[in-house]
Amino acid sequence: AQKVTQAQTEISVVEKEDVTLDCVYETRDTTYYLFWYKQPPSGELVFLIRRNSFDEQNEISGRYSWNFQKSTSSFNFTITASQVVDSAVYFCALSEAEGSQGNLIFGKGTKLSVKP
Amino acid sequence: EPEVTQTPSHQVTQMGQEVILRCVPISNHLYFYWYRQILGQKVEFLVSFYNNEISEKSEIFDDQFSVERPDGSNFTLKIRSTKLEDSAMYFCASNLGQGVYGYTFGSGTRLTVV
Repeated sequence: AQKVTQAQTEISVVEKEDVTLDCVYETRDTTYYLFWYKQPPSGELVFLIRRNSFDEQNEISGRYSWNFQKSTSSFNFTITASQVVDSAVYFCALSEAEGSQGNLIFGKGTKLSVKP
Repeated sequence: EPEVTQTPSHQVTQMGQEVILRCVPISNHLYFYWYRQILGQKVEFLVSFYNNEISEKSEIFDDQFSVERPDGSNFTLKIRSTKLEDSAMYFCASNLGQGVYGYTFGSGTRLTVV
């Protein structure tokens, strides 16, 4: 069965610190997609990144970077030089390409608080 | 950039009343979804809809829930007789293909059942 685990419930850092949010997933499919979403206090879900299971290249987008490791079933998210505006709940999610209509399975989320 | 529109943003209803949550997905998307997030908890899948019928639903999506795409643009979620535990944020999402492409979420409808 598919599952997404975000073991860190809450993280608090001081501005300019780097922070890594962990995500571990379980799936039997060989083809799947991983996502990160940001949920700011206003409540909407903001798409950050999508990764397919065949693309293990790490990605960097500005201060954000993602480390995908199939060997450990992990898709971790690092924010470099964090800012107060990064304060939000971050969700990791999995979508299997086979055996479902592609619905997303979310982790429980990690609440990140960045203090000035 | 195209977006998924949800109305209303906030709805308060009495227990036992019917509510309809509305969504306008992105026009060329083929798959439509409803998700629910109880306050402070994770986002949970309710139902997916493709080719004018439900393609998958979760255990949460019981007989009290129904979905419709009445006119080719709107996508609605109806809760027939609301319960207190239905209070949550409801997100609509659409997608061009089964997980292959990114999901676009609406900004959500906060439903409060009193």
